[in-house]
Amino acid sequence: GQNIDQPTEMTATEGAIVQINCTYQTSGFNGLFWYQQHAGEAPTFLSYNVLDGLEEKGRFSSFLSRSKGYSYLLLKELQMKDSASYLCAVRDSNYQLIWGAGTKLIIKP
Amino acid sequence: ETGVTQTPRHLVMGMTNKKSLKCEQHLGHNAMYWYKQSAKKPLELMFVYNFKEQTENNSVPSRFSPECPNSSHLFLHLHTLQPEDSALYLCASSQDLAGEVGELFFGEGSRLTVL
Repeated sequence: GQNIDQPTEMTATEGAIVQINCTYQTSGFNGLFWYQQHAGEAPTFLSYNVLDGLEEKGRFSSFLSRSKGYSYLLLKELQMKDSASYLCAVRDSNYQLIWGAGTKLIIKP
Repeated sequence: ETGVTQTPRHLVMGMTNKKSLKCEQHLGHNAMYWYKQSAKKPLELMFVYNFKEQTENNSVPSRFSPECPNSSHLFLHLHTLQPEDSALYLCASSQDLAGEVGELFFGEGSRLTVL
């Protein structure tokens, strides 16, 4: 079967760095997505990786290793507004999105 | 504001009621989706429409009935639901089904409670 694993919850301190990991086993691979979802709001697109390596977007970076079936989302200089759930999703060989259950990130002052 | 609007935001219904969820996108996208989001579970894809044609029905019970009258509007008709159907129902759109990036744009969801 197809599976995406990510931690259920993480806690970090304002101003620090946090890394949210995502591992996947899917039927084929056509890209990996990270979305952010604040409580009671719509998920919003953060990043897309289809080739191995690091993609940087301001304070957020996303890394992919296709051979290891592994990605991480790196958040730097954490702010209180970064408290949210982070969803990892992989597009399989049929271009279907397979979703993880999300990681709830709690930022403490 | 994501360009995808869902109404109502909250809905409480009994098991014998009939209600509908509405989604409208103002992005000129060709594909629209219904997802179910339950606490601590992955998003569950329910239905996919591409150019108004249904391309995916992920073994969804017939008490959920989608309708896509045009590429900007999507409905989810609900009847004789069960308490376990209580969840957040998210609508999303994308430019097409398999674009280069193909990110989804989500609405804020309709929180459904079935009594």
